[in-house]
Parts: sequence; structure tokens; C-alpha cells
Amino acid sequence: EAGVTQFPSHSVIEKGQTVTLRCDPISGHDNLYWYRRVMGKEIKFLLHFVKESKQDESGMPNNRFLAERTGGTYSTLKVQPAELEDSGVYFCASSQVGVSQETQYFGPGTRLLVL
Amino acid sequence: GNSVTQMEGPVTLSEEAFLTINCTYTATGYPSLFWYVQYPGEGLQLLLKATKADDKGSNKGFEATYRKETTSFHLEKGSVQVSDSAVYFCALSDTLTGGGNKLTFGTGTQLKVEL
Repeated sequence: EAGVTQFPSHSVIEKGQTVTLRCDPISGHDNLYWYRRVMGKEIKFLLHFVKESKQDESGMPNNRFLAERTGGTYSTLKVQPAELEDSGVYFCASSQVGVSQETQYFGPGTRLLVL
Repeated sequence: GNSVTQMEGPVTLSEEAFLTINCTYTATGYPSLFWYVQYPGEGLQLLLKATKADDKGSNKGFEATYRKETTSFHLEKGSVQVSDSAVYFCALSDTLTGGGNKLTFGTGTQLKVEL
């Protein structure tokens, strides 16, 4: 079974540009999460979907970030316009709903560098 | 709010040495505790977990015991190998409103094992 996949693996953009990150969760996982690790600091929660519904976006830094999960399958995270402080590694994770929901499976991350 | 503190790295050990990576947490209630590992070039993988006080999680020779009295979840391994070189993250789990779980991570500890 395929794990969580993320695309692209790396992205280098200039300040002010737009970038869209994609996450494909494990098939059948209704929970989907986005996290971010900035400059070697702790990994921080951004938001949570259950199927296509955005349940908690308390970790989203500001309104330059927009996450979607149309159809309840893959998700995108768009940053527009990107700022220097947005550089970091963006992780996606998924989990089942129910008893096993605490175990989250992570993707390899997208390394974003804003110049 | 909840937080996780883990020892700063990098930690450099010789092969077959004993490993301890300290992790303490601050939380309301009794969250589940996790250790995740990130090998070079890969995503986060769940290493072990414990869901209640005095539980011991174990996997691949690693162990950690949920200590409520000291709010700790230290990671140990009796004899490390070069292949254990990675970044280790301690985390706790919060139940989110609407379902799902938010992970709160420490800053990560890089381990390098040398021959």
C-alpha cells in the first residue's frame, strides 16, 4: 500500500510568488493534517481535514495560506504571496478515523525556500 | 498550552553505546506520547508510542516509558547502530474538536552514530 506522498519534494521561489503544495494521503484515511517545520525548530500543526471538511485551522499563520481538500482525497496548500519566513519543510500526514486515529502517517515533506 | 521539551543535539555516539534522549512535556490531562524518527531523505516514521501512565512503548530495540509523576517520556536504546543515525522527535497528542488528533512536537534531536 502506498504511503503518504507529497509534491514537489523541493521548491525554490522568490518572495511574492505563489506556490502550491500537494499531498496525497493513504487511501481510506479520512483525517488529513498539515504541519510545518521552520528553520530547525519544532514541527508545528497547521490544520486538519476530515474528508473534505476543514475541522481545525488554528495553526495557519495568516491569510496568505489556503488549504483545500476538494472531494476528500488529496489536499493542496497554497501560499500566496510567499514571504521569506514561509521557508521550511511542510509535512502532510493522514490517519484513519476511529480507534486508530492517533497514529498519523507522514509524508516525506516539501522543502520550501523563499528567496 | 501543551508543549514538549527534548534535549538539544546533535548527539554523537559510538556504535554499541547506550542512548538516552530526554523528553519532558507539559499538558492538561493525559495525552498519548510518541517518538517519531526521520531518517535522512525520508519522512517522519512512528517509532513507538504510549497511551497511558506507566505504559512502555518499544520498537526496534528502542524503549520509552510514560512517567506521569515526572511528565517524561525518555527514549532509550541499549546498543545503537550506525543505521540509527537520524533525527528523533518526541510528541504528544491532543484530541481536536471535531475529531482527529493534533500532534505537538519537540524540536528534534539529531543522533549520529559512528563506527
